Amino acid sequence: SAVISQKPSRDICQRGTSLTIQCQVDSQVTMMFWYRQQPGQSLTLIATANQGSEATYESGFVIDKFPISRPNLTFSTLTVSNMSPEDSSIYLCSVDLGGRGGEQFFGPGTRLTVL
Amino acid sequence: AQTVTQSQPEMSVQEAETVTLSCTYDTSESDYYLFWYKQPPSRQMILVIRQEAYKQQNATENRFSVNFQKAAKSFSLKISDSQLGDAAMYFCAFQGAQKLVFGQGTRLTINP
Repeated sequence: SAVISQKPSRDICQRGTSLTIQCQVDSQVTMMFWYRQQPGQSLTLIATANQGSEATYESGFVIDKFPISRPNLTFSTLTVSNMSPEDSSIYLCSVDLGGRGGEQFFGPGTRLTVL
Repeated sequence: AQTVTQSQPEMSVQEAETVTLSCTYDTSESDYYLFWYKQPPSRQMILVIRQEAYKQQNATENRFSVNFQKAAKSFSLKISDSQLGDAAMYFCAFQGAQKLVFGQGTRLTINP
């Protein structure tokens, strides 16, 4: 299994500012995933982050808006840039230890409110 | 593109009773995996149960079992002897060759 922590757990931000969310895993993993969960909605994959390479973004998400860093095998950050109220969501990171078809382990999420 | 549909936004059940949550999916792939994840109010997503498409036998984990109907592309979750701690959002998820795709979720309430 994997234990994942995220910082901050929640934040309230002003429109036009940026927030960086940190994700720390207790073991080395190849891929880390960032999801967005809008209020009362399902999870949508933002991007997949591999160590040592550029993150792969899903349709509708761009690097300028959601830059991701992956400096090592246990850590990643997601920045939400130039925020608007529409960015108010829960942001979750996750990892899978067994590759495709294996269990994904999720962090507790970061609840972001943009005023 | 794969889609996952959960047609029940909310369900409720009496404590100790049995409840079934529905999930259907659409794919042209033959090799895939299906999951049920639970998200309690604490927000921590937890895997409940996992099914490999090539296995005909339905997965079971203690009080949780699935009814996997591959031809019908249906993957329902049965919770037996419901407990108060089962109250949560339940998400059905599909993974084929690529990313994990989630359904819209079903909010399960347990009535004491």
